[in-house]
Amino acid sequence: QVQLVQSGAEVKKPGASVKVSCKASGYTFTNYGTSWVRQAPGQGLEWVGWISGYNGNTNYAQKFQGRVTMTTDTSTSTAYMELRSLRSDDTAVYYCARDDSSTSREFWGQGTLVTVSS
Amino acid sequence: QSVLTQPPSVSAAPGQKVTISCSGSSSNIGNNYVSWYQQLPGTAPKLLIYDNNKRPSGIPDRFSGSKSGTSATLGITGLQTGDEADYYCGTWDSSLSAVVFGGGTKLTVV
Repeated sequence: QVQLVQSGAEVKKPGASVKVSCKASGYTFTNYGTSWVRQAPGQGLEWVGWISGYNGNTNYAQKFQGRVTMTTDTSTSTAYMELRSLRSDDTAVYYCARDDSSTSREFWGQGTLVTVSS
Repeated sequence: QSVLTQPPSVSAAPGQKVTISCSGSSSNIGNNYVSWYQQLPGTAPKLLIYDNNKRPSGIPDRFSGSKSGTSATLGITGLQTGDEADYYCGTWDSSLSAVVFGGGTKLTVV
């Protein structure tokens, strides 16, 4: 069965960086892209960006360009999202999801809480 | 401010039917498929509807989706208390080259 398992919760200080991992299993990783979506406390879903599992091409939401880097390790079927220059409003649960198309994602990770606090 | 507009909340009695609207524009809903997600408290979103009106395996036919022009609608019949959750619509925006979501609708079954 398809599973996406994310790394554990993180607490960071403003200005620091965080790198979240998402290990996929149950499907051919290189056949699908991975999207990252975040959800601030009490707020809605916000797309951060996407990375191709096939060739590593990326597409970042304009809001995060210059601060986010997404990578993959196809040998371990793992996607990574690094967010730099963290601010308090980056505090959120970050989800990875398998891209079934540009418009839908059926399989999601369990989420990783990133807390930014001094 | 979300690109797609949903009502903040809807409510209905157990056993009844409810619809949740999602309004967009020609750059998103008007020219792309719409998906719908259910999010129970403290859990990841769950795909209910994709490609406007298709249900993934395991999703009951109480859940349905439709699209007309630049708006989409999620319908839920035979409401159960377990359906209380936040519901989000999502699609691709061709102008932004980005995935966009609605602000979410909280369903209360009372």
